[in-house]
Amino acid sequence: KAGVTQTPRYLIKTRGQQVTLSCSPISGHRSVSWYQQTPGQGLQFLFEYFSETQRNKGNFPGRFSGRQFSNSRSEMNVSTLELGDSALYLCASGQGAIYGYTFGSGTRLTVV
Amino acid sequence: AQSVTQLDSQVPVFEEAPVELRCNYSSSVSVYLFWYVQYPNQGLQLLLKYLSGSTLVKGINGFEAEFNKSQTSFHLRKPSVHISDTAEYFCAVRNRDDKIIFGKGTRLHILP
Repeated sequence: KAGVTQTPRYLIKTRGQQVTLSCSPISGHRSVSWYQQTPGQGLQFLFEYFSETQRNKGNFPGRFSGRQFSNSRSEMNVSTLELGDSALYLCASGQGAIYGYTFGSGTRLTVV
Repeated sequence: AQSVTQLDSQVPVFEEAPVELRCNYSSSVSVYLFWYVQYPNQGLQLLLKYLSGSTLVKGINGFEAEFNKSQTSFHLRKPSVHISDTAEYFCAVRNRDDKIIFGKGTRLHILP
């Protein structure tokens, strides 16, 4: 079956702009989580959505937001981009944390 | 708060030699533990998980891990590594909020 699909794969944005990243989970998975990965901080949890509701949130500023649609597809948005937002953003889908997640290949965001 | 410590940021090992990647966790409650692998330019892939039962867990690609409650460890092992095992390995724990918290990762370098 199809894996987790993240689009786009690469993005270059300018400071102050906003960006929207998309994630299509594995069919049947209702949980979608987002992570930010940087060399210095490693993998940091952004938020998790389950059946269109935000179930968990990490320690990121309000510039980072997300949503989930009725078909489980999810988007995350980052407004007023800063240089420090440059990272690999990973989406993971699953049926619950204890089952483990399936990750997408990520979106590489570069802010210049 | 639950956390995960991966003691080695990089581990070099000769091809066909055994390897152990170390992971310690902190938790005051029952834990679910995971190992993920990330190949270059890809997302994370679940190697194995411990939920309950036997403390020796076997995963994909010949990897196994042993849950040690008294030492709060979940070390990953492989008896004979191959060049294709070159990747970054992440230990993770599910916390009480049902989030998965990742360690900083260990880069496995296979030497010819």
